[in-house]
Amino acid sequence: SAVISQKPSRDICQRGTSLTIQCQVDSQVTMMFWYRQQPGQSLTLIATANQGSEATYESGFVIDKFPISRPNLTFSTLTVSNMSPEDSSIYLCSVRPGLAGDEQYFGPGTRLTVT
Amino acid sequence: QKEVEQDPGPLSVPEGAIVSLNCTYSNSAFQYFMWYRQYSRKGPELLMYTYSSGNKEDGRFTAQVDKSSKYISLFIRDSQPSDSATYLCAMSLMDSNYQLIWGAGTKLIIKP
Repeated sequence: SAVISQKPSRDICQRGTSLTIQCQVDSQVTMMFWYRQQPGQSLTLIATANQGSEATYESGFVIDKFPISRPNLTFSTLTVSNMSPEDSSIYLCSVRPGLAGDEQYFGPGTRLTVT
Repeated sequence: QKEVEQDPGPLSVPEGAIVSLNCTYSNSAFQYFMWYRQYSRKGPELLMYTYSSGNKEDGRFTAQVDKSSKYISLFIRDSQPSDSATYLCAMSLMDSNYQLIWGAGTKLIIKP
Protein backbone atom coordinates (compact mmCIF):
# COMPACT_ATOMS: atom_id res chain seq x y z
CA SER A 1 0.00 0.00 0.00
CA ALA A 2 0.96 3.68 0.11
CA VAL A 3 0.35 6.50 2.56
CA ILE A 4 -0.57 9.75 0.86
CA SER A 5 -0.86 13.21 2.37
CA GLN A 6 -2.27 16.34 0.80
CA LYS A 7 -1.95 20.01 1.65
CA PRO A 8 -4.04 22.00 2.23
CA SER A 9 -6.89 19.84 3.47
CA ARG A 10 -9.33 22.59 2.63
CA ASP A 11 -9.38 26.18 1.46
CA ILE A 12 -11.75 28.97 0.58
CA CYS A 13 -10.51 31.08 -2.30
CA GLN A 14 -11.57 34.16 -4.16
CA ARG A 15 -12.65 34.02 -7.77
CA GLY A 16 -9.77 34.68 -10.17
CA THR A 17 -7.01 33.48 -7.85
CA SER A 18 -4.97 30.26 -8.00
CA LEU A 19 -4.37 27.49 -5.50
CA THR A 20 -1.59 24.92 -5.50
CA ILE A 21 -2.31 21.55 -3.91
CA GLN A 22 0.56 19.37 -2.77
CA CYS A 23 0.64 15.58 -2.70
CA GLN A 24 3.30 13.64 -0.81
CA VAL A 25 3.68 9.83 -0.89
CA ASP A 26 5.61 7.76 1.62
CA SER A 27 7.28 5.65 -1.08
CA GLN A 28 8.47 6.05 -4.65
CA VAL A 29 5.69 5.50 -7.15
CA THR A 30 5.69 5.65 -10.90
CA MET A 31 2.05 6.40 -11.53
CA MET A 32 0.41 9.38 -9.83
CA PHE A 33 -2.99 10.79 -10.69
CA TRP A 34 -5.14 13.82 -9.93
CA TYR A 35 -8.91 13.49 -9.65
CA ARG A 36 -11.81 15.81 -9.03
CA GLN A 37 -14.93 14.83 -7.14
CA GLN A 38 -17.87 17.19 -7.07
CA PRO A 39 -20.37 16.92 -4.21
CA GLY A 40 -22.37 13.70 -4.38
CA GLN A 41 -20.62 12.62 -7.56
CA SER A 42 -18.14 9.95 -8.52
CA LEU A 43 -14.50 10.62 -9.40
CA THR A 44 -13.30 12.30 -12.59
CA LEU A 45 -9.69 11.88 -13.69
CA ILE A 46 -8.00 15.21 -14.42
CA ALA A 47 -4.55 14.02 -15.43
CA THR A 48 -1.74 11.54 -14.94
CA ALA A 49 1.43 13.05 -13.52
CA ASN A 50 4.54 11.45 -14.96
CA GLN A 51 7.93 12.05 -13.37
CA GLY A 52 10.28 13.73 -15.80
CA SER A 53 7.70 14.43 -18.49
CA GLU A 54 4.58 16.45 -19.18
CA ALA A 55 1.39 15.42 -17.48
CA THR A 56 -1.23 13.69 -19.59
CA TYR A 57 -4.60 15.42 -19.40
CA GLU A 58 -8.04 13.91 -19.88
CA SER A 59 -10.63 15.36 -22.19
CA GLY A 60 -12.05 18.57 -20.78
CA PHE A 61 -8.96 19.44 -18.73
CA VAL A 62 -6.12 21.63 -19.99
CA ILE A 63 -2.66 22.45 -18.75
CA ASP A 64 -3.27 26.20 -18.58
CA LYS A 65 -6.10 25.68 -16.12
CA PHE A 66 -4.59 22.75 -14.16
CA PRO A 67 -0.80 22.87 -14.38
CA ILE A 68 0.87 19.89 -12.73
CA SER A 69 4.40 19.37 -11.53
CA ARG A 70 6.06 16.03 -10.73
CA PRO A 71 9.63 16.77 -9.67
CA ASN A 72 10.34 13.33 -8.19
CA LEU A 73 8.79 9.93 -7.51
CA THR A 74 7.20 10.92 -4.17
CA PHE A 75 5.75 14.38 -4.80
CA SER A 76 3.40 16.24 -7.12
CA THR A 77 1.46 19.48 -7.21
CA LEU A 78 -1.74 20.47 -8.93
CA THR A 79 -2.57 24.14 -9.43
CA VAL A 80 -6.12 25.28 -10.02
CA SER A 81 -5.71 28.54 -11.92
CA ASN A 82 -7.99 31.53 -12.37
CA MET A 83 -10.62 29.89 -10.23
CA SER A 84 -14.36 30.24 -10.61
CA PRO A 85 -17.16 28.90 -8.40
CA GLU A 86 -17.46 25.94 -10.80
CA ASP A 87 -14.03 24.78 -9.59
CA SER A 88 -15.42 24.19 -6.10
CA SER A 89 -14.80 20.50 -5.57
CA ILE A 90 -12.69 17.93 -3.78
CA TYR A 91 -9.32 17.36 -5.44
CA LEU A 92 -7.75 13.96 -4.84
CA CYS A 93 -4.24 12.71 -5.39
CA SER A 94 -3.91 9.01 -6.17
CA VAL A 95 -1.04 6.60 -6.76
CA ARG A 96 -0.58 3.17 -8.25
CA PRO A 97 2.55 1.69 -6.69
CA GLY A 98 2.68 -1.32 -9.00
CA LEU A 99 1.98 -1.94 -12.64
CA ALA A 100 -1.01 -0.80 -14.67
CA GLY A 101 -4.12 -2.58 -13.48
CA ASP A 102 -2.77 -2.90 -9.98
CA GLU A 103 -4.17 -1.47 -6.76
CA GLN A 104 -4.64 2.28 -6.59
CA TYR A 105 -4.65 4.39 -3.44
CA PHE A 106 -6.02 7.83 -2.66
CA GLY A 107 -5.06 10.74 -0.49
CA PRO A 108 -7.50 12.40 1.91
CA GLY A 109 -8.43 15.09 -0.59
CA THR A 110 -8.42 18.88 -0.68
CA ARG A 111 -11.81 20.51 -0.31
CA LEU A 112 -11.85 23.70 -2.34
CA THR A 113 -14.55 26.35 -2.18
CA VAL A 114 -14.40 29.28 -4.58
CA THR A 115 -16.43 32.36 -3.72
CA GLN B 1 -25.43 3.89 -21.42
CA LYS B 2 -22.61 4.27 -18.92
CA GLU B 3 -19.79 1.76 -18.96
CA VAL B 4 -20.35 1.03 -15.27
CA GLU B 5 -23.77 1.19 -13.65
CA GLN B 6 -24.22 1.44 -9.89
CA ASP B 7 -27.38 2.28 -7.98
CA PRO B 8 -26.66 5.50 -6.04
CA GLY B 9 -29.05 4.58 -3.24
CA PRO B 10 -29.27 5.51 -0.46
CA LEU B 11 -29.50 1.97 0.84
CA SER B 12 -30.65 1.82 4.46
CA VAL B 13 -30.46 -1.42 6.45
CA PRO B 14 -30.58 -2.36 10.15
CA GLU B 15 -27.42 -3.15 12.06
CA GLY B 16 -26.41 -6.80 11.72
CA ALA B 17 -27.97 -7.26 8.28
CA ILE B 18 -26.13 -8.62 5.28
CA VAL B 19 -25.58 -5.88 2.72
CA SER B 20 -25.30 -6.49 -1.00
CA LEU B 21 -23.85 -3.77 -3.22
CA ASN B 22 -23.72 -4.28 -6.96
CA CYS B 23 -22.29 -2.94 -10.20
CA THR B 24 -22.88 -3.98 -13.77
CA TYR B 25 -20.60 -3.17 -16.65
CA SER B 26 -20.76 -3.27 -20.42
CA ASN B 27 -17.11 -3.72 -21.46
CA SER B 28 -16.24 -7.42 -21.34
CA ALA B 29 -12.54 -6.49 -21.55
CA PHE B 30 -12.45 -5.22 -17.97
CA GLN B 31 -10.17 -7.47 -15.94
CA TYR B 32 -9.46 -5.65 -12.66
CA PHE B 33 -12.23 -4.90 -10.20
CA MET B 34 -12.06 -2.80 -7.07
CA TRP B 35 -14.34 -1.69 -4.29
CA TYR B 36 -13.64 1.53 -2.42
CA ARG B 37 -15.25 2.89 0.71
CA GLN B 38 -15.51 6.64 1.15
CA TYR B 39 -16.55 8.29 4.35
CA SER B 40 -17.95 11.78 4.22
CA ARG B 41 -15.21 14.38 3.66
CA LYS B 42 -12.52 11.70 3.23
CA GLY B 43 -10.67 10.17 0.29
CA PRO B 44 -11.68 6.74 -1.10
CA GLU B 45 -10.18 3.77 0.76
CA LEU B 46 -9.42 0.59 -1.17
CA LEU B 47 -11.45 -2.27 0.35
CA MET B 48 -11.19 -5.12 -2.10
CA TYR B 49 -9.26 -5.80 -5.28
CA THR B 50 -9.70 -8.79 -7.55
CA TYR B 51 -8.94 -9.78 -11.09
CA SER B 52 -10.64 -13.13 -11.46
CA SER B 53 -14.17 -14.48 -11.45
CA GLY B 54 -15.38 -15.94 -8.20
CA ASN B 55 -15.31 -14.81 -4.59
CA LYS B 56 -12.66 -13.10 -2.51
CA GLU B 57 -13.15 -12.79 1.20
CA ASP B 58 -11.58 -10.41 3.70
CA GLY B 59 -13.11 -10.43 7.16
CA ARG B 60 -16.73 -9.34 6.93
CA PHE B 61 -16.35 -8.35 3.28
CA THR B 62 -16.73 -10.60 0.23
CA ALA B 63 -16.16 -9.42 -3.32
CA GLN B 64 -17.80 -11.44 -6.06
CA VAL B 65 -17.09 -11.19 -9.78
CA ASP B 66 -19.19 -12.81 -12.49
CA LYS B 67 -17.51 -12.00 -15.79
CA SER B 68 -20.02 -13.98 -17.83
CA SER B 69 -22.82 -11.75 -16.56
CA LYS B 70 -20.60 -8.64 -16.30
CA TYR B 71 -21.66 -8.17 -12.73
CA ILE B 72 -19.73 -7.55 -9.52
CA SER B 73 -20.93 -7.49 -5.94
CA LEU B 74 -19.68 -6.57 -2.50
CA PHE B 75 -21.24 -8.32 0.46
CA ILE B 76 -20.91 -7.02 4.00
CA ARG B 77 -21.80 -9.43 6.78
CA ASP B 78 -22.85 -8.38 10.27
CA SER B 79 -23.09 -4.76 9.16
CA GLN B 80 -22.16 -2.08 11.68
CA PRO B 81 -23.05 1.62 11.90
CA SER B 82 -19.37 2.30 11.15
CA ASP B 83 -19.93 0.74 7.71
CA SER B 84 -22.14 3.71 6.81
CA ALA B 85 -20.35 5.30 3.88
CA THR B 86 -20.43 5.57 0.12
CA TYR B 87 -19.16 2.47 -1.70
CA LEU B 88 -17.70 2.91 -5.16
CA CYS B 89 -16.87 0.19 -7.63
CA ALA B 90 -14.09 0.70 -10.15
CA MET B 91 -12.60 -1.41 -12.90
CA SER B 92 -9.89 -1.31 -15.51
CA LEU B 93 -8.46 -3.11 -18.50
CA MET B 94 -5.55 -5.57 -18.42
CA ASP B 95 -3.13 -3.45 -20.36
CA SER B 96 -1.03 -0.34 -19.98
CA ASN B 97 -4.16 1.79 -19.82
CA TYR B 98 -4.12 3.18 -16.34
CA GLN B 99 -7.60 4.57 -16.23
CA LEU B 100 -10.10 3.35 -13.69
CA ILE B 101 -13.73 3.45 -14.76
CA TRP B 102 -15.95 4.31 -11.83
CA GLY B 103 -19.47 3.56 -10.76
CA ALA B 104 -21.58 6.39 -9.35
CA GLY B 105 -21.20 5.12 -5.78
CA THR B 106 -23.87 3.73 -3.45
CA LYS B 107 -24.58 5.53 -0.21
CA LEU B 108 -25.06 2.95 2.56
CA ILE B 109 -26.71 3.74 5.88
CA ILE B 110 -26.61 1.20 8.71
CA LYS B 111 -29.24 1.98 11.31
CA PRO B 112 -28.37 1.09 14.94
